[in-house]
Amino acid sequence: NAGVTQTPKFQVLKTGQSMTLQCAQDMNHEYMSWYRQDPGMGLRLIHYSVGAGITDQGEVPNGYNVSRSTTEDFPLRLLSAAPSQTSVYFCASNPGINTEAFFGQGTRLTVV
Amino acid sequence: KNQVEQSPQSLIILEGKNCTLQCNYTVSPFSNLRWYKQDTGRGPVSLTIMTFSENTKSNGRYTATLDADTKQSSLHITASQLSDSASYICVVSTTLGFQKLVFGTGTRLLVSP
Repeated sequence: NAGVTQTPKFQVLKTGQSMTLQCAQDMNHEYMSWYRQDPGMGLRLIHYSVGAGITDQGEVPNGYNVSRSTTEDFPLRLLSAAPSQTSVYFCASNPGINTEAFFGQGTRLTVV
Repeated sequence: KNQVEQSPQSLIILEGKNCTLQCNYTVSPFSNLRWYKQDTGRGPVSLTIMTFSENTKSNGRYTATLDADTKQSSLHITASQLSDSASYICVVSTTLGFQKLVFGTGTRLLVSP
């Protein structure tokens, strides 16, 4: 039972580069979301999806894009990486609104 | 402004001892309150979820309490083990739109042998 799987676990980017963080879940959850975790701050919502083909912005969406073509996958794209995007990124899924969220193991991203 | 504040920021206890972590929130409208455990380098893992009507909820050696009137919650850990060393995050969910989760910054617990 894999749950929520994120790849890669670690990544170093140069300023201006683009990349995609992958997230996949095998629990058939409708809701998926992306958070970033920065030192001294609580997790903050970047983007979320309430089902395939439906996405919306969270609290800190600038510089990120998402798409949801299948129930299982919810990739996060960094368009042009900036040092301010250095963070740990978590993907989460949950079966319905206000239900328990299951988190992936995180991707530690460093932008130099 | 919706906020979740946790105390203490960090805590060191001896193995076998009990401890209590605190969470105060100013989140409205309230849907539920969650406690998560986050091991270093891992994602948060849910310990408990409590709705407005629940005062206490247990998960093994973890017991969470909720006072919706004073907007306070606590997480009590009984007979601590080395594996309890982690950050404990209090999260409050509102009913506004998509599950708006307001995260606390966590309490970092170290259980010492």
